[in-house]
Amino acid sequence: ELKVEQNPLFLSMQEGKNYTIYCNYSTTSDRLYWYRQDPGKSLESLFVLLSNGAVKQEGRLMASLDTKARLSTLHITAAVHDLSATYFCAVTLNRDDKIIFGKGTRLHILP
Amino acid sequence: EAGVTQFPSHSVIEKGQTVTLRCDPISGHDNLYWYRRVMGKEIKFLLHFVKESKQDESGMPNNRFLAERTGGTYSTLKVQPAELEDSGVYFCASSLTGMRGANVLTFGAGSRLTVL
Repeated sequence: ELKVEQNPLFLSMQEGKNYTIYCNYSTTSDRLYWYRQDPGKSLESLFVLLSNGAVKQEGRLMASLDTKARLSTLHITAAVHDLSATYFCAVTLNRDDKIIFGKGTRLHILP
Repeated sequence: EAGVTQFPSHSVIEKGQTVTLRCDPISGHDNLYWYRRVMGKEIKFLLHFVKESKQDESGMPNNRFLAERTGGTYSTLKVQPAELEDSGVYFCASSLTGMRGANVLTFGAGSRLTVL
């Protein structure tokens, strides 16, 4: 059974700081997704990582994938308040199959 | 382009009552998924439609839950009778089939269900 674990589950940090959210998954997969959710809103796709060593960056967020370690990281650089949200990591075995989510990391950035 | 829309946004019912949630996917998206998030826990897969067919319903918790997608367009998820543990946010998502690369789901804003 495919399982996805994120840590930390909650993170409070000051603006301007750097931090990393970790996502481990239990079964070989080469499709990993990062989503963001603001309170009461839908999940917004941030990154899709499709191969070992893939790295994608958008603004202050950078995601990477190590399929051998079954690990993805979401790195936040010089955090700003607007990045406060819940971030979900998700994995699927095959393209159209169900996507399995982690519990999410609730990020709270203090001004 | 209209996104995935869900109705209602919030429903409060008593234990034993019935609730029907509706999802309108993006037009042309054959894949339609239902997920549920209980507070503080992971977003859990419920089921997956490809057009009007149930591709995978392994996540449906029990026979009190019934999902339909008549005509392969909108979908409904009925809970009858509702129990306290059914409370949570129900998300619907849709995507295209047969495309190369990743299957990127577009999510709706969710329907929050509170069972008292």
